[in-house]
Amino acid sequence: DTEVTQTPKHLVMGMTNKKSLKCEQHMGHRAMYWYKQKAKKPPELMFVYSYEKLSINESVPSRFSPECPNSSLLNLHLHALQPEDSALYLCASSQARGPGNTIYFGEGSWLTVV
Amino acid sequence: DAKTTQPNSMESNEEEPVHLPCNHSTISGTDYIHWYRQLPSQGPGYVIHGLTSNVNNRMASLAIAEDRKSSTLILHRATLRDAAVYYCILREGTGNQFYFGTGTSLTVIP
Repeated sequence: DTEVTQTPKHLVMGMTNKKSLKCEQHMGHRAMYWYKQKAKKPPELMFVYSYEKLSINESVPSRFSPECPNSSLLNLHLHALQPEDSALYLCASSQARGPGNTIYFGEGSWLTVV
Repeated sequence: DAKTTQPNSMESNEEEPVHLPCNHSTISGTDYIHWYRQLPSQGPGYVIHGLTSNVNNRMASLAIAEDRKSSTLILHRATLRDAAVYYCILREGTGNQFYFGTGTSLTVIP
């Protein structure tokens, strides 16, 4: 099983809403990632968890709040977002150690903020 | 914090080889070179990676310059399904950083 599963695939939310994006993997990977991708741009790294601890936060605004409840799950909690936060949000996972390890990406969650 | 430089776009005729270049002049000794591609409306997918030696797999070949400051992804026979954005990425030896560069958008002409 080499899948990273993201839900929901599409989400429309108002600027005052609170919602969450979810990501799951069962490959035994101990590093998990969130990326944001705007149209026709490359993915931008947001957060990295290693062994369930936040190891990288790329100065992401606090309206995005990541959570790693266990080694298989990664959430991204969304609150008071702006229309410019509309994007494709990608989750990924890999073995925690070793730069030669492959990173596996999910299909992404398309977020629209209205 | 992208450390790679790629052409914005390239074209290839179907069933011909494609050479996608990447410059990474600031590469360190422990950085691996990874290539991913992203098909329309999908997440990026792994293509190939290497450290120093040339690498082959069923999808592609990776040719790494002797000084490791550049590399080339080779698709031996382009098909229409190879039309995608191809990203060359350096994965650092010390951490979990994985930063995408601007990528090359490959168009395959029938």
